[in-house]
Amino acid sequence: GAVVSQHPSRVICKSGTSVKIECRSLDFQATTMFWYRQFPKQSLMLMATSNEGSKATYEQGVEKDKFLINHASLTLSTLTVTSAHPEDSSFYICSARVLNYGYTFGSGTRLTVV
Amino acid sequence: KNEVEQSPQNLTAQEGEFITINCSYSVGISALHWLQQHPGGGIVSLFMLSSGKKKHGRLIATINIQEKHSSLHITASHPRDSAVYICAAASNTGNQFYFGTGTSLTVIP
Repeated sequence: GAVVSQHPSRVICKSGTSVKIECRSLDFQATTMFWYRQFPKQSLMLMATSNEGSKATYEQGVEKDKFLINHASLTLSTLTVTSAHPEDSSFYICSARVLNYGYTFGSGTRLTVV
Repeated sequence: KNEVEQSPQNLTAQEGEFITINCSYSVGISALHWLQQHPGGGIVSLFMLSSGKKKHGRLIATINIQEKHSSLHITASHPRDSAVYICAAASNTGNQFYFGTGTSLTVIP
C-alpha cells in the first residue's frame, strides 16, 4: 500500500517551455506532498511542501514563480517548471507522508532541458 | 556539518559478501528511513525505524537511539543489490527530512 505514482519518468523539453510533473497517491489521501530535486552525485534537496487546498511552502532559494506547485485534491499534486532553462535539468521526485506508515516516494522524473 | 552522515560513500563487494552501511545523525528524529535508489533514479523506501531492528528478506536495519546511529546490512549480497542507499532522518519537530549523501554500492558477480 501507500503508492505514489509519478509521471512522466523522463522528459526532454526545449528552453523556454513549461513542463508539468504529476504525483498521484493511488491508495491513500496525501494531505501533504513534498517535492525534491536531486543534482548528479548529490542528495535530495527539498524544494517545497504542498498542502491540499492551500499554497505551497517553498524552501529558501526556490523561485515560486518558476516552480509552480498545485495540490488541488487529496490524491494529486503537480509541479510545473515554467520557462525551463538548461540549469533546471535535474531529477525531481515527490514524497508523501502517510499516517502510521512513514513516507513514500514517487519514482522520480528526469528532466532534461535542451 | 551535515545533520546526517553516511559511510562509506562508495562500496564495492563480491557477490555473497555481507555488507554494512552506517548512518549517524545529529538531530532529534521521529523515525529513520533507509531508501534505495536505482540507477534510473527511482527511490524505494526499504525501512522506517524508530527503535530496535527490522528485517526484510536479506536486508536488516538497526537503530541505536542513544548513540544516534543506524546501520543497514545486506546478507548474501547480489549484483541486483547494486544501487545507492540513502539514510534519511525525519525530524521530530515537523516535516523536515534530513538526507544523507548516499552510499553507492556495487556488487560484482
